[in-house]
This record gives sequence, structure tokens and C-alpha cells, in this order.
Amino acid sequence: DAKTTQPTSMDCAEGRAANLPCNHSTISGNEYVYWYRQIHSQGPQYIIHGLKNNETNEMASLIITEDRKSSTLILPHATLRDTAVYYCIVRVVGQFYFGTGTSLTVIP
Amino acid sequence: EPEVTQTPSHQVTQMGQEVILRCVPISNHLYFYWYRQILGQKVEFLVSFYNNEISEKSEIFDDQFSVERPDGSNFTLKIRSTKLEDSAMYFCASSEALAGWDEQYFGPGTRLTVT
Repeated sequence: DAKTTQPTSMDCAEGRAANLPCNHSTISGNEYVYWYRQIHSQGPQYIIHGLKNNETNEMASLIITEDRKSSTLILPHATLRDTAVYYCIVRVVGQFYFGTGTSLTVIP
Repeated sequence: EPEVTQTPSHQVTQMGQEVILRCVPISNHLYFYWYRQILGQKVEFLVSFYNNEISEKSEIFDDQFSVERPDGSNFTLKIRSTKLEDSAMYFCASSEALAGWDEQYFGPGTRLTVT
């Protein structure tokens, strides 16, 4: 599976949009981009995933560049409960490889 | 909304003892996984399981580990003789299919402490 690069940490003001970037320049054509988050030591929580097109669900939006070498997770109105470690993972099938992720802190 | 459940939430055991961690995957899911996370480290894959067989396992999943689906609802991870370094959070996950487009849903985890 392709490697991803994410910033170690980010801050976001409560109520503002949180934009979390991810680079995956070696992604192959059949690899999906997934986002999970982990709050404290809880189980990773699925957020969203996509292959080529931008995706939106009730939690977030995923913007994938046309060349698929990078993506951005957008939390439209961050709340304090969104403080977590966010993982960007690219995957074909099977297990997920979790990196170190981005530690997002939402500030009141 | 259906969810993966795990018991116990916290297990304390002595080195050399056997432990069994239990998981109830989402009911219509067919693929099951165990991951672990040592405190302060990454989430690591241990094993995947489908149709009563191990599909894939990592180097961590040695002979001390085993998995079983003893009935139609439970999925268990057994550690035969625990070591201090087995202390970690253990997460069970399940998915409906084994495909790139299918997400895995994780349980809340079991914290295993080996003393």
C-alpha cells in the first residue's frame, strides 16, 4: 500500500472548518483513500473514503486532487469533540496500515 | 446503528497466563480483524479472518496467538502465554466485504495489562 504523509499536528478554532491535508504521491490507480480518526485510546472511527471523486457524508468532505497524489479532509464546522488523531490511509484491500496521523486540536 | 462490541473493556493478567479477548462483530459482516496499539504507538494489524480461516496475519501474530469464531456471533483472540510486551489496547474490527471500497468498523477496544 502507498505511503502517506500528514502534518504532525494542527489547531482549528471551534466552529471553523478544519482542513486536514494528506500527500499520497505514490498512490496506484486502484487504491482508495480512507480517513479514520481516533479519540484518546478509543477504537479508530471511520470517517469517509473515496477513489477519484470528491465525497461528502454527514461527518466530512473528502477532496481528492485530479492526479490523486493528495487529498484533504474537511470538517465543515469543527467542535471540541472533533479533537482527535486523524489518519489518512491508502489501501487496495485487506488490512489498514495506520501511520502516526495528524493530531487535531479544536480550540474554544 | 450497529456497532462492534468488545469484552472485557480492561483485562489484567499475570505473565504466563492465557487470556481470551472477545468481540461481537456487526451481524451481517463476514470479515473480521484484530489490531493492537501499544501505548503511544501506532495501530498495528494482527490478523484477518474469513470463512473460519485466517486470511492474513502479521509478523506479530506468532504461535502464541490464535483466533476463533466459536459460534455465529463471537470472534475471539487468545494469547496462550502472555508476556509483558503484550500489554496494549486490542481492537476488533469487521467489514461486510473484502474490497478496497469497503470500510472496516472498529470496536472500542480491550485494554490488556500484563503484570
